[in-house]
Amino acid sequence: DAMVIQNPRYQVTQFGKPVTLSCSQTLNHNVMYWYQQKSSQAPKLLFHYYDKDFNNEADTPDNFQSRRPNTSFCFLDIRSPGLGDAAMYLCATSRDLTGEDYEQYFGPGTRLTVT
Amino acid sequence: RKEVEQDPGPFNVPEGATVAFNCTYSNSASQSFFWYRQDCRKEPKLLMSVYSSGNEDGRFTAQLNRASQYISLLIRDSKLSDSATYLCVVNTPPLNKLSFGAGTTVTVRA
Repeated sequence: DAMVIQNPRYQVTQFGKPVTLSCSQTLNHNVMYWYQQKSSQAPKLLFHYYDKDFNNEADTPDNFQSRRPNTSFCFLDIRSPGLGDAAMYLCATSRDLTGEDYEQYFGPGTRLTVT
Repeated sequence: RKEVEQDPGPFNVPEGATVAFNCTYSNSASQSFFWYRQDCRKEPKLLMSVYSSGNEDGRFTAQLNRASQYISLLIRDSKLSDSATYLCVVNTPPLNKLSFGAGTTVTVRA
């Protein structure tokens, strides 16, 4: 059974047109993360939520926003996608931020294309 | 210096061979270490956590060397299905952010 679900799996948007990617989890984990991964590169953390506490990475562009309305759901909003934002967007969860509770479970990703 | 560095490979090995590769990390205070496996165009999946004493899971053995700040992964009796990119993941105090290496690609050939 899928534990971290991402929708849609593939998203095509136009340059500058806002887009929202969604993630849901059935694990009841405290922490949810959004990563951006480009071809042959490491996943790059954009931000994470510990419960309702939002933690933005210093180098995450303002163009990227996130919402976590409840434990199960987390959204990634890209306000004005540029061509450079085309990537795989991975959602992940972990039970906590210490020790083995730090093990992250990833969703299948949403591949974003910007035209 | 990157927080986590890996040899990108690729490591091309015949079926049944042993392959091993390392990952170095820059923060000596790091406490949690993981190996993830990522297949082409798929999400990363946890392969194993790495413990101080080293640990083994079937054909996979992970070692941690704190003095030299590296972790290693060894795959014995390689299978075709082991072909993947292996990501080294390390926590980075004080914020406990996980840092990913760019991955080591392993290709097992028949």
